[in-house]
Amino acid sequence: QVQLVQSGSELKKPGASVKVSCKASGYTFTSYAMNWVRQAPGQGLEWMGWINTNTGNPTYAQGFTGRFVFSLDTSVSTAYLQISSLKAEDTAVYYCARDRVIAARPGAGDYWGQGTLVTVSS
Amino acid sequence: DIQLTQSPSFLSASVGDRVTITCRASQGISSYLAWYQQKPGKAPKLLIYAASTLQSGVPSRFSGSGSGTEFTLTISSLQPEDFATYYCQQLNSYSLTFGGGTKVEIK
Repeated sequence: QVQLVQSGSELKKPGASVKVSCKASGYTFTSYAMNWVRQAPGQGLEWMGWINTNTGNPTYAQGFTGRFVFSLDTSVSTAYLQISSLKAEDTAVYYCARDRVIAARPGAGDYWGQGTLVTVSS
Repeated sequence: DIQLTQSPSFLSASVGDRVTITCRASQGISSYLAWYQQKPGKAPKLLIYAASTLQSGVPSRFSGSGSGTEFTLTISSLQPEDFATYYCQQLNSYSLTFGGGTKVEIK
């Protein structure tokens, strides 16, 4: 069965960096793109962008360029989200979500990780 | 970016009610729309894609319709487990966006 398991909660100080992992199992990792979604406390969902797991090419949504980096380690079927120069407003739950279909463009997420809470506080 | 406006943002309903949620896009997106359900503390769950196709395992009381700029999610008979927040997402462009969400609460 398809599973996405994310790394645990993080507490970071402003200015620090964090790397969230999303380990996939139950399917061919490089066949389906991976999306990243942010949800600030009490707020809605924001699509951050996606990474083509076949080519490794990331695409970032507006507002998520510069400090946000998507990467892969295909040898362990894992996608990563790294955020640098953390700010208080980065406090949120971050989700990875697998694309529903094999395609060279982002799509609906049919399997989601459990979410990783990143808290930024001094 | 394409903007999605959901209405209402909050809805109070009773078990057994028929519930309809609307999602309007700022420009035409054909049928490139998905609906998700999210319960507190949980990841979103895909309900519908391509505007009207039910994801495997989703109860048939959920249905979606629409194309272009106006879409609806309908729950034909609200069940206790359906109280949650619902989001639409457009998949038309290479920059996806979500609607603001509709919270469905018990009347």
